[in-house]
Amino acid sequence: AQTVTQSQPEMSVQEAETVTLSCTYDTSESDYYLFWYKQPPSRQMILVIRQEAYKQQNATENRFSVNFQKAAKSFSLKISDSQLGDAAMYFCAYRSQNNDMRFGAGTRLTVKP
Amino acid sequence: DTEVTQTPKHLVMGMTNKKSLKCEQHMGHRAMYWYKQKAKKPPELMFVYSYEKLSINESVPSRFSPECPNSSLLNLHLHALQPEDSALYLCASSQEGRRPNYGYTFGSGTRLTVV
Repeated sequence: AQTVTQSQPEMSVQEAETVTLSCTYDTSESDYYLFWYKQPPSRQMILVIRQEAYKQQNATENRFSVNFQKAAKSFSLKISDSQLGDAAMYFCAYRSQNNDMRFGAGTRLTVKP
Repeated sequence: DTEVTQTPKHLVMGMTNKKSLKCEQHMGHRAMYWYKQKAKKPPELMFVYSYEKLSINESVPSRFSPECPNSSLLNLHLHALQPEDSALYLCASSQEGRRPNYGYTFGSGTRLTVV
């Protein structure tokens, strides 16, 4: 079974600075999909960014980008120019071909003004 | 409509009660999911429906009974729950496809308390 590991339970960043959240995963599949989700106190899970494993190019969405290292099974999220509204729980997720999505334990991000 | 709507938002039920959680989406998604999330933990997959058929059941106790009456609706029927079943129950939906590169769209959840 696939496992997703987020080794940073909590991270803190100064407003306008850059922060990187780590994620590693374990799989025997060659084709899969990776995601970062954000869960603010409102409880809604919000998709931040996605990456297809067959694509070499790292995904970017405005201030959010990933560093996808397939051989190392690593998928980190970089948040640039951090804003107060970025404060939330961030979950790394792995989606396999059989349509189930598994989440890491999460990283709580605090943004300091 | 780009939302997944879950009702009720909060539910308190006794251990002998029968209740149902409801989830609705009108995005044309043909895959729907139930997740359970305990406080400060990640969501845990419970059930997956694909084209209205149950495709994954993660060994969930029979006191939880899912139902997918049509492509827009997903229910979770609850009966004889235990206090440890208290959690946030999240519904999600996604497009189906040969390459499932789509993320899930989540509802805002039902906060369930079993007393």
